[in-house]
Amino acid sequence: GNSVTQMEGPVTLSEEAFLTINCTYTATGYPSLFWYVQYPGEGLQLLLKATKADDKGSNKGFEATYRKETTSFHLEKGSVQVSDSAVYFCALGDAGGTSYGKLTFGQGTILTVHP
Amino acid sequence: SAVISQKPSRDICQRGTSLTIQCQVDSQVTMMFWYRQQPGQSLTLIATANQGSEATYESGFVIDKFPISRPNLTFSTLTVSNMSPEDSSIYLCSAPSAGNEQFFGPGTRLTVL
Repeated sequence: GNSVTQMEGPVTLSEEAFLTINCTYTATGYPSLFWYVQYPGEGLQLLLKATKADDKGSNKGFEATYRKETTSFHLEKGSVQVSDSAVYFCALGDAGGTSYGKLTFGQGTILTVHP
Repeated sequence: SAVISQKPSRDICQRGTSLTIQCQVDSQVTMMFWYRQQPGQSLTLIATANQGSEATYESGFVIDKFPISRPNLTFSTLTVSNMSPEDSSIYLCSAPSAGNEQFFGPGTRLTVL
C-alpha cells in the first residue's frame, strides 16, 4: 500500500534560516504529491502540489520538486519567518480507480521559527 | 477551490454518548472524505462518503462506530457512536477539486470525558 515518511521533528530555526523538510513516499502508479500546512489553532491548508515527475510546486516562498527516481518530495524555503511556524504534512494522493481522492499523510513536522 | 464548513467546531462529551458532525461544501462534489487526527498525530482516513451509496470504510473503522450519511452532493454527516476517551480527536471532512487536491474543513475538536 501507499506510505509517506517525513523527517522527524520538531524543527527549530532562527528567522531567515534555510528550511528543508524531507519527505519520501512509496506508491504504485503515478500519484500526486502535496504539502499541507496547519497553523496553530487552524485547519489544514494546501501549501503546494505536484502532479507528475519533475514538477515543481511553489507557494509563499516554499518549493518542492517531485523526484520519481528518489521517490521524494522535499519541502524547502530559503528564508523562514516567524509566521511560518506551523505543522507541515506531506501527503500522497492516489491517481485513480477506487482510491481516487484519498490522501495518505506523513507524520507531520512541527516547525518553530524564533526571531 | 471549495469552501467547507463544519459544525460543531468543538464539543466536550460524556463517554457512552454519540455526537454527529456536519460537513457542508459550497459546491456539488461526488466524493467527500472523513479523517481523524488524534492528539499529536497525523491524519488517518476514516471513510469515503459517496452520494447515493453506502460509505466505504478504511481498515480499522466500522459503520457501527462511525455511521455516515450523504443525503446530497453538498452535505455529509459523521456520527461518533458510544464514545470513549480514545475517540478524543479532531475530525475533518474534505472534498476533492478537479486537480485531485483536497480541501479541508476547519475540523471538529472532540473531547470525551
